Amino acid sequence: DAGVIQSPRHEVTEMGQEVTLRCKPISGHDYLFWYRQTMMRGLELLIYFNNNVPIDDSGMPEDRFSAKMPNASFSTLKIQPSEPRDSAVYFCASRKHQGSNQPQHFGDGTRLSIL
Amino acid sequence: RKEVEQDPGPFNVPEGATVAFNCTYSNSASQSFFWYRQDCRKEPKLLMSVYSSGNEDGRFTAQLNRASQYISLLIRDSKLSDSATYLCVVNVPRDNYGQNFVFGPGTRLSVLP
Repeated sequence: DAGVIQSPRHEVTEMGQEVTLRCKPISGHDYLFWYRQTMMRGLELLIYFNNNVPIDDSGMPEDRFSAKMPNASFSTLKIQPSEPRDSAVYFCASRKHQGSNQPQHFGDGTRLSIL
Repeated sequence: RKEVEQDPGPFNVPEGATVAFNCTYSNSASQSFFWYRQDCRKEPKLLMSVYSSGNEDGRFTAQLNRASQYISLLIRDSKLSDSATYLCVVNVPRDNYGQNFVFGPGTRLSVLP
């Protein structure tokens, strides 16, 4: 079975540019999560969706960040305009049935560098 | 107090040693617990869930202590390939949003030849 698929794997861009990260969750998973990981702050939850609806976006750092999930098989995380402090690894994860003891499954991540 | 805390390590142990990590959590209403491992520059991968009665998977044993609000991971006969960062994950109930799975900062393990 295919796991969580993220693209691109690496992104290097100049500050001020728009960055779009993409994620395809595991088929049949109800929940999708976006995380950011840095050495200083560890793994931080940015936002998560249930059945394509954003449930908790309290982790989104500021208005420059936005996320959408137009259908059950696709989500995007957008940063506009990007800043050097946004450089991090961004992970997408999905899981079934939030109420049950189901773990999250992670994609390979997108390594983002803002110059 | 942070919601989930771990000793960052590093734990440097020789091959064949037994090593244990603890993870403490602050919300007594938490119900689900997991251990993930993360290799350098890779994504976190599920190692094992943690059940109330404790559970074992080969060389790995996970325990839950609800009274003291911690979970533990024991690795026996450690291998070089066990070198990684071990992340504790706890579900934390949220008033408006159901629950969130909160990751600890991780404990780094290096198994030395």
